[in-house]
Formats: sequence, structure tokens, C-alpha cells
Amino acid sequence: DVQLVESGGGLVKPGGSLRLSCAASGFTFSNAWMSWVRQAPGKGLEWVGLIRTDGGTTDYAAPVKGRFAISRDDSRNTLYLQMNSLTTEDAAVYYCSTGALGTWGQGTMVTVSS
Amino acid sequence: DVVMTQSPLSLPVTLGQPASISCRSSQSLVDSDGNTYLSWFQQRPGQSPRRLIYKVSNRDSGVPDRFSGSGSGTDFTLKISRVEAEDVGVYYCMQDTHWPYTFGQGTKLEIK
Repeated sequence: DVQLVESGGGLVKPGGSLRLSCAASGFTFSNAWMSWVRQAPGKGLEWVGLIRTDGGTTDYAAPVKGRFAISRDDSRNTLYLQMNSLTTEDAAVYYCSTGALGTWGQGTMVTVSS
Repeated sequence: DVVMTQSPLSLPVTLGQPASISCRSSQSLVDSDGNTYLSWFQQRPGQSPRRLIYKVSNRDSGVPDRFSGSGSGTDFTLKISRVEAEDVGVYYCMQDTHWPYTFGQGTKLEIK
């Protein structure tokens, strides 16, 4: 079965950094575009960014561009989201997903508060 | 950015009755490859979202055939032929033709 398991969420102060991980199994990870999507408490879904295969080019949504970085380690079947200069607006559940959002993880909660 | 507008935002439905959700995009979702990248997602209370439909009308594996998607260009619809109790949740449309990919606001389906 295809499975995605996020980790790394937690409480961070405004201006701080956090790195999320997503462990993938059940499919050929190196062949898959991967995405991060977030959902603020009580709000809708927002696409954060994606990473392609073959060199791992990335695209980001405007609110996170320049602060967040998506990377992948195909040898470990793991996707990452490095989040810097966090603000309260970034507080959300962060989900990793396969490229066109066909499969989702359970999500990991990020809280930004002083 | 492409704006996705769903209606209604709240949808009370009697068990066994049909339901329909509309999604309109601010520009055409037809890609240069000829495909239209419009998907529908279901998020049950307390769960991760789940994709139901991709490329307008293709059901994902395991999705009951009471769910169907249709539409073209800028106007799309998700239909549930007979609502069951397990269908309660929030439904989102999403376009991944134009970057940044964008979601609708969500439609909350509840049982009357």
C-alpha cells in the first residue's frame, strides 16, 4: 500500500525554523513528483509547493517563497520541508502528498507562538 | 492566480437524496496538452483529505460510483447520486493546470 508519514511538527517561536519530513513507502518514490499542502485551523487547503523528479526542480506558493525549501532524498524515500522565518500565519497542519494529490499523509501540526 | 469559487458553501442533504456542488474557475483550466486538470477532494471530520475525482471526471480507485464529476472550461460539478451518512464532510475542488495550484473554499455537506 502507498503510505506517507509526516513528522517534525511542533511549537516554534515567530522567526524560528522547523524541518518537516515525510517518509514514503509502497511506490517508486524517485519517480514521483511530491507536494506539500497546508491547512490552518478551521480553514481550507493551501498548496505550499512541489518538487519534481530528475534534478528536483521546485515551485512554491507566493506566501512561502524565499522562506520555505522543499527537498528530497530518493535514497531514503523521504521528502523534506525546511521552513524558515516562521510567522503566526504559517501555523497549520502540513500534509505531504504525491504529485497530483492522489495520496495524502496524516499530517503534522505546526504551531507558531511566542 | 486562478480563483476557484464553489457553491453552495453549506449543503444540507437528506439521506438517500442527490447532492450537487458547483466549482467555477476564473480562467479556463484546459492545459496546453489538451487535458483539464480539475480534481475533487473529500475531507471527513478529523481526517486527511482524499482525492475522489481527477481530470474532471475520472474516479480514483475505491471511490463509490455514486460520485461523479463533469464539466469543461471554467464550469465544473461534483454530483453524489444518493447521499450516505459516510459522505458527511467538506468537499474541495482544485485546479492544477496553472501554477500556483489553487483550491476552492470548500463545501460542507451535512445530513438534514
